[in-house]
Amino acid sequence: AQSVTQLDSHVSVSEGTPVLLRCNYSSSYSPSLFWYVQHPNKGLQLLLKYTSAATLVKGINGFEAEFKKSETSFHLTKPSAHMSDAAEYFCVVRGQGQNFVFGPGTRLSVLP
Amino acid sequence: DSGVTQTPKHLITATGQRVTLRCSPRSGDLSVYWYQQSLDQGLQFLIQYYNGEERAKGNILERFSAQQFPDLHSELNLSSLELGDSALYFCASSVETYNEQFFGPGTRLTVL
Repeated sequence: AQSVTQLDSHVSVSEGTPVLLRCNYSSSYSPSLFWYVQHPNKGLQLLLKYTSAATLVKGINGFEAEFKKSETSFHLTKPSAHMSDAAEYFCVVRGQGQNFVFGPGTRLSVLP
Repeated sequence: DSGVTQTPKHLITATGQRVTLRCSPRSGDLSVYWYQQSLDQGLQFLIQYYNGEERAKGNILERFSAQQFPDLHSELNLSSLELGDSALYFCASSVETYNEQFFGPGTRLTVL
């Protein structure tokens, strides 16, 4: 069985400071992992994905995530937050031959 | 713009009624997925179709049904609607079953 835990339901940062959104997963197989972002009243947009190549994955808008198998984590980071980053972020796991399992989401607020 | 289209954007209806939501996948994508997003339940996978055939079922109620047509567009039918069915309904598509999914803008259903 697969599961995803997003450790923070809400993260608040100041503009220009680093962002860290935490994600831990459980999967019986070597997983593929994704981060999606959802801006208010919009659909979900793929930020980045890990599919067993490089463990440090770069995505759009300056985001990146590192796959750490020993810690079963896939945390999302960005060096400097922008106001436009305020949104809901979803971590997603897919095990081999399995469908997507979405985490509960983390709401990111960016303060001026 | 993900290339996935959904109609209508908004739908307001009464309890007991039936509605149909429509989704057109990205060009070339064979898989279509339906999700329900509500405040209390988060993002829930409902059902997946691949090239016209049902591939996977999630937390889909018996009052709900879906199909994928030969031109690959999909429809989600919701009947005997209840207040609790009010939610955002997203469609997503992917090339194959286990590739990254691209989401449409969603249909907001309000049941009064």
